[in-house]
Amino acid sequence: EADIYQTPRYLVIGTGKKITLECSQTMGHDKMYWYQQDPGMELHLIHYSYGVNSTEKGDLSSESTVSRIRTEHFPLTLESARPSHTSQYLCASSVAAAGADTQYFGPGTRLTVL
Amino acid sequence: DAKTTQPNSMESNEEEPVHLPCNHSTISGTDYIHWYRQLPSQGPEYVIHGLTSNVNNRMASLAIAEDRKSSTLILHRATLRDAAVYYCTLLTNRDDKIIFGKGTRLHILP
Repeated sequence: EADIYQTPRYLVIGTGKKITLECSQTMGHDKMYWYQQDPGMELHLIHYSYGVNSTEKGDLSSESTVSRIRTEHFPLTLESARPSHTSQYLCASSVAAAGADTQYFGPGTRLTVL
Repeated sequence: DAKTTQPNSMESNEEEPVHLPCNHSTISGTDYIHWYRQLPSQGPEYVIHGLTSNVNNRMASLAIAEDRKSSTLILHRATLRDAAVYYCTLLTNRDDKIIFGKGTRLHILP
């Protein structure tokens, strides 16, 4: 079972602030993902990475950016937070297995921008 | 992309079996059927996956129709802790990006 951590769990911040959501995994997984989920709604992939120095945009357009300097770390940054960024952000990592990759999710960061 | 169809919500009594259906009529031969669930205020967690044969693990069983156009996730004895949104999705062995639909919200009645 993978261990994947996200901090902070909850963040309330004012408009215009720069924020970084942290995501770390200890299992050495090459692939990592960020999803965005509004309450009661579907998860949408916003960023993913296949390894160090690899980042790609997901299916849902997002103003956030990501970096992958170390295998275990995949932070997400919003340069200037806005109320429209209020949502839950979920990080995941995956390991290849028979029958396609299995993803392991962190507990999420619930972001509120005032 | 192959799509899945699930009921929006289901109810079951505690300690009874639960059968969660999923239709995937456009499934291709290389698609694996994966199930995840999301407990309240948590990230999704992997439940089970299969290709053609029925599968069992400590969490659940997966029954796959002979034509593979549908499958059923079976919780043998539901507990209150099984109340969650259950997602059925299709992935090939080259896929690594999951498309989560709306899933089925399972309510467990005490």
